[in-house]
Amino acid sequence: EVQLVESGGGLIQPGGSLRLSCAASGFTVSGNYMSWVRQAPGKGLEWVSVIYSGGTTYYADSVKGRFTISRDNSKNTLYLQMNSLRAEDTAVYYCARGGYASSWSVNIAIDVWGQGTTVTVSS
Amino acid sequence: DIQMTQSPSTLSASVGDRVTITCRASQSISSWLAWYQQKPGKAPKLLIYRASSLESGVPSKFSGSGSGTEFTLTLSSLQPDDFATYYCQQYNSYPLTFGQGTKVEIK
Repeated sequence: EVQLVESGGGLIQPGGSLRLSCAASGFTVSGNYMSWVRQAPGKGLEWVSVIYSGGTTYYADSVKGRFTISRDNSKNTLYLQMNSLRAEDTAVYYCARGGYASSWSVNIAIDVWGQGTTVTVSS
Repeated sequence: DIQMTQSPSTLSASVGDRVTITCRASQSISSWLAWYQQKPGKAPKLLIYRASSLESGVPSKFSGSGSGTEFTLTLSSLQPDDFATYYCQQYNSYPLTFGQGTKVEIK
């Protein structure tokens, strides 16, 4: 069964750091495009970052320079390192498969989502 | 960035109704558009990809159409399980962007 399970969320003070993990099963993280998407309380969905199977990464402007997406192929796990956290980063963070956008090939929608992990940035 | 605008923001409908949600992109995204359904406290679920392709396992009551900048999601014969929030998303270019959502409520 294809599944994504996030962990690592919690309450953190502004300026702090947190690392989210996403364990995949039923497919390989290394062989897929993998994204993080977040949803602030009562708000819509916001794409955060993607990592390609080849290692290329992209970020939303709102997190660029503060967040880093990575993976551990041996553990089949995706990560999101979040530094310099702000109150506006408070959200449910979803790990997801897909999210490939290109001008010269077949793009790939996000088709599998984890259950989400909650990050609250507050003093 | 490509802005995605959904209408309406809220839609009140009855069981058995046929409803249509519109999504407009601020520039052409070809057919790189997906539709998601989200229920409270749950992760989004992919319904439609590439504007009109039905995701495996999704009932055929859901259909999508459009290309370029204007897209629609149609739900035929609404059932209680269909009352949820629906989002469109473009995956033509980064940053990937979502519409603000359309909440389908029971009239």
